[in-house]
Amino acid sequence: GAVVSQHPSWVICKSGTSVKIECRSLDFQATTMFWYRQFPKQSLMLMATSNEGSKATYEQGVEKDKFLINHASLTLSTLTVTSAHPEDSSFYICSALRGGRGTDTQYFGPGTRLTVL
Amino acid sequence: TQLLEQSPQFLSIQEGENLTVYCNSSSVFSSLQWYRQEPGEGPVLLVTVVTGGEVKKLKRLTFQFGDARKDSSLHITAAQPGDTGLYLCAGAWAAGNKLTFGGGTRVLVKP
Repeated sequence: GAVVSQHPSWVICKSGTSVKIECRSLDFQATTMFWYRQFPKQSLMLMATSNEGSKATYEQGVEKDKFLINHASLTLSTLTVTSAHPEDSSFYICSALRGGRGTDTQYFGPGTRLTVL
Repeated sequence: TQLLEQSPQFLSIQEGENLTVYCNSSSVFSSLQWYRQEPGEGPVLLVTVVTGGEVKKLKRLTFQFGDARKDSSLHITAAQPGDTGLYLCAGAWAAGNKLTFGGGTRVLVKP
């Protein structure tokens, strides 16, 4: 299989604090991981592409200084929401890219629900 | 901007009925994936299609990839309440590239 975990599964924080979310590929190595956010009753929106050993690539409109991404190893990427505000409350989902079988496939984590008070 | 249109947005049917979800783009896909997502969980991969005209079956689910690799469909036969969920198509325009998701189709199968 291809298992991706996220931690924490949910977090509540006060406005102005920072929150770190971890994404791990448990049974394969992933040089590329992706971070998405999903608002209620909506589809997934790509925030950034996380590349092991290099800087993340952010989608248009996503503030790189607010959403810090670190992909320090082949199995771990972290997303830090800095100075969180209520409008950052959302469901954050990561995926890890697994290739080598003719087609690269993204496997998704279970998501992290962030609530900023 | 590469867009992926998914239709319908919402589908409510009775148990035992059939349903079809469509995914369309003006661009050619390298590959297209279908996912199902339950509330509060991440998307779970159902299938990946890469060859134009390809048809894949997963129990009561049939996936088709258009000949021109610009569109795809998901057909569920004899739907069951356990099929309820959000169905998402996602296309990649190059191998290993980022995915662009369709808007999703929320399916409700009533017993």
